[in-house]
Amino acid sequence: QSALTQPASVSGSPGQSITISCTGTSSDVGGYNYVSWYQQHPGKAPKLMIYEVSNRPSGVSNRFSGSKSGNTASLTISGLQAEDEADYYCSSYTSSSTGVVFGGGTKLTVL
Amino acid sequence: QVQLVQSGAEVKKPGASVKVSCKASGYTFTGYYMHWVRQAPGQGLEWMGRINPNSGGTNYAQKFQGRVTMTRDTSISTAYMELSRLRSDDTAVYYCARDRITIFGVVTRGYYYYGMDVWGQGTTVTVSS
Repeated sequence: QSALTQPASVSGSPGQSITISCTGTSSDVGGYNYVSWYQQHPGKAPKLMIYEVSNRPSGVSNRFSGSKSGNTASLTISGLQAEDEADYYCSSYTSSSTGVVFGGGTKLTVL
Repeated sequence: QVQLVQSGAEVKKPGASVKVSCKASGYTFTGYYMHWVRQAPGQGLEWMGRINPNSGGTNYAQKFQGRVTMTRDTSISTAYMELSRLRSDDTAVYYCARDRITIFGVVTRGYYYYGMDVWGQGTTVTVSS
């Protein structure tokens, strides 16, 4: 199945807010509320930041929020901090294979 | 603490097979699905499949059907991912990752995708002649 579509890069200044989009189809993002977001720092394993579209795991800052409209999910990071600089990946359940599909990843740069 | 510890780096020749292990600790191994995800150098994450450690049942991504085998040994709380007929483009870091909810929760809520909340440290597999 095709990967979900994310912008290759986004940037923002400390204190600002940014949003990363994740576009799929009615077979994945648009059809189910099973979208997760991961943060990955260089050389590290991914970390779960958002699950089921808009839920934060315990310990994840409330500066991170998720939403969905139609076939597009979004991750918003408010009050940007230097430590937020990382790669971010969306993922979704897909009925195409009753499995999981990832986005191509977005590199966040904190200016 | 909940932890997944993977086996060490591997170097393989094209056409060979590789088997990566993932030892779980700090939780009931048979209570949660285990996913396998890989990441080629400089590339994004790619889901390979998942295994139900309780039943041994598997669900593989179409791309890897016929080449990947996921198994487990419940006596030592370890999951395995074996990839055969290796090619150079299989060079990647391979991760195991635990499903966020219990298998009971999956049975109750449906066989979907609830996120991966605990990850192994990754195993680098290099395929080169």
